Amino acid sequence: GENVEQHPSTLSVQEGDSAVIKCTYSDSASNYFPWYKQELGKGPQLIIDIRSNVGEKKDQRIAVTLNKTAKHFSLHITETQPEDSAVYFCAAKPSGSARQLTFGSGTQLTVLP
Amino acid sequence: DGGITQSPKYLFRKEGQNVTLSCEQNLNHDAMYWYRQDPGQGLRLIYYSQIVNDFQKGDIAEGYSVSREKKESFPLTVTSAQKNPTAFYLCATAGLAGDNEQFFGPGTRLTVL
Repeated sequence: GENVEQHPSTLSVQEGDSAVIKCTYSDSASNYFPWYKQELGKGPQLIIDIRSNVGEKKDQRIAVTLNKTAKHFSLHITETQPEDSAVYFCAAKPSGSARQLTFGSGTQLTVLP
Repeated sequence: DGGITQSPKYLFRKEGQNVTLSCEQNLNHDAMYWYRQDPGQGLRLIYYSQIVNDFQKGDIAEGYSVSREKKESFPLTVTSAQKNPTAFYLCATAGLAGDNEQFFGPGTRLTVL
């Protein structure tokens, strides 16, 4: 099955700096890669996703890049703010309705004021 | 969290007792999922259902059971056979079976004493 590895497990940045979180996946059939943000005691919330037919996607301060050849994808957050502090999860899903999301182990991002 | 309700938010049970976690949705979504989250780990899939009266085992189904008698409801029972039931349990939905985007509920934290 699919295996997703996520790094780093913790990340501290100064407010205004950029943050980058990286994930690798194992199943070449994966074609959907979402990123979720989870605040303490709450359920994860989808913040951005990318499909395998594109290499990059941006939404304001958030961007995701995908390298299918190397089987890795990354989340980039620019101009970080304290409210960006949370746990971020990447995931991958192969095509087909019977295949399900596999999640990375999460990154605790702390933005220092 | 949208239209997904999980209750209660905190649940305490004695070892050896079965306990049922509630998940209700008013999004008219076909697919529903149960995940388990442990500290420092990603979300792991317990069970999922793509249509009423049908469900499939996920990666860690042992010690759990589910039912899907109504489209709106997907309760999860944690049985006494689950060796380490203390965890944060998350319910999610997707519009159609095989849809990529999943929406999460607020979660239930189960503590077995």
